Amino acid sequence: QITLKESGPTLVKPTQTLTLTCTFSGFSLSTSGVGVGWIRQPPGKALEWLALIYWDDDKRYSPSLKSRLTITKDTSKNQVVLRMTNMDPVDTATYYCAHAVAGYYFDYWGQGTLVTVSS
Amino acid sequence: QSVLTQPPSVSAAPGQKVTISCSGSSSNIGNNYISWYQQLPGTAPKLLIYDNNKRPSGIPDRFSGSKSGTSATLGITGLQTGDEADYYCGAWDSSLNAGVFGGGTKLTVL
Repeated sequence: QITLKESGPTLVKPTQTLTLTCTFSGFSLSTSGVGVGWIRQPPGKALEWLALIYWDDDKRYSPSLKSRLTITKDTSKNQVVLRMTNMDPVDTATYYCAHAVAGYYFDYWGQGTLVTVSS
Repeated sequence: QSVLTQPPSVSAAPGQKVTISCSGSSSNIGNNYISWYQQLPGTAPKLLIYDNNKRPSGIPDRFSGSKSGTSATLGITGLQTGDEADYYCGAWDSSLNAGVFGGGTKLTVL
């Protein structure tokens, strides 16, 4: 079955760069049509779409965060990495990675990881 | 401010039916498929509906989806207390070239 799990720091300081890793199993990111996305959710707030990487290494980013985000994949390790630069307290959120189908909907989600930005 | 607009909350009694709306534009709902997610307290979102009205395996037919123009609707019949959750709509936005979500709707089963 498909599983995904996020990992990374739980606390980062303002201006630092956040690096999150999504380790997955049950599918291959080299299979046509498959993608992995990142979504975040500030405490008590709505979901926010961040980035998506496709099997062919095509990448899409939220326009509002594009300058700060980088998404990459390591197919051999079954991992997708999200980097977010210049972290700010407003970036405090639970960050989810998810398996994307047809480039737009997410049918399997990780458990999420809470990242707090504070000095 | 979310690109897709949902009512903040809806409520209904057990056994009743409720609908949750999601309003967008021609760049998202109007010309792309929509999906719906259920998020129970303290858990990750769960896919309920994709391609406007399809249910993944294991999702009961009490949940349904529809789309008309630039709006979409999630319907839930036979409400149960276990349906109390936040519900989100999602779609691809062709202008933004990115995915978008609604602001979420909190369902209370009275």
